[in-house]
Amino acid sequence: ETGVTQTPRHLVMGMTNKKSLKCEQHLGHNAMYWYKQSAKKPLELMFVYNFKEQTENNSVPSRFSPECPNSSHLFLHLHTLQPEDSALYLCASSQGNTGGDEQFFGPGTRLTVL
Amino acid sequence: GENVEQHPSTLSVQEGDSAVIKCTYSDSASNYFPWYKQELGKRPQLIIDIRSNVGEKKDQRIAVTLNKTAKHFSLHITETQPEDSAVYFCAGTDTGNQFYFGTGTSLTVIP
Repeated sequence: ETGVTQTPRHLVMGMTNKKSLKCEQHLGHNAMYWYKQSAKKPLELMFVYNFKEQTENNSVPSRFSPECPNSSHLFLHLHTLQPEDSALYLCASSQGNTGGDEQFFGPGTRLTVL
Repeated sequence: GENVEQHPSTLSVQEGDSAVIKCTYSDSASNYFPWYKQELGKRPQLIIDIRSNVGEKKDQRIAVTLNKTAKHFSLHITETQPEDSAVYFCAGTDTGNQFYFGTGTSLTVIP
């Protein structure tokens, strides 16, 4: 359960705030992911980093800015968010050498935008 | 890109009965199909997966079947128990790192 950690677990922010979500993996993986989970919607992949290089950006608004300083850490910088951005943000990691690897999820950050 | 559809969205079964969740996919290049279980307030966790070179895989009370021709795969849970109550997500992917998830099935096992 401690393979992928996320902080904070809960975050409430106003639309003008700037905050960052942090993810850390202790599994020796090379790929890391950010997902958005909203009620009654499939898990939405936001960003993929493979060996610290961003390989996927699924049309995510620029108010979400990822950062991957090394293969163990992943950040999601937030600014001028909208109430509809309220959701559970999940980080995941996988081996990353090839596709079709199990993704290990963190506990998520429950974000509320007022 | 891939499109994964999942049915039903909710499922209630009596304890001891079987539960079946079905997913279809659109991209014939997809070759890896994991199933994740997410209990209330917890992270998704892999429970079983299947690759396109096999048609069926079983792990105790859980099994997954894959029909490549029809592009569908199913999760089968036998002898259901209350602790099986959770949301189950299917996914498909090709050789890339991007998983395409279904919308989830909320399973309730009634004691």
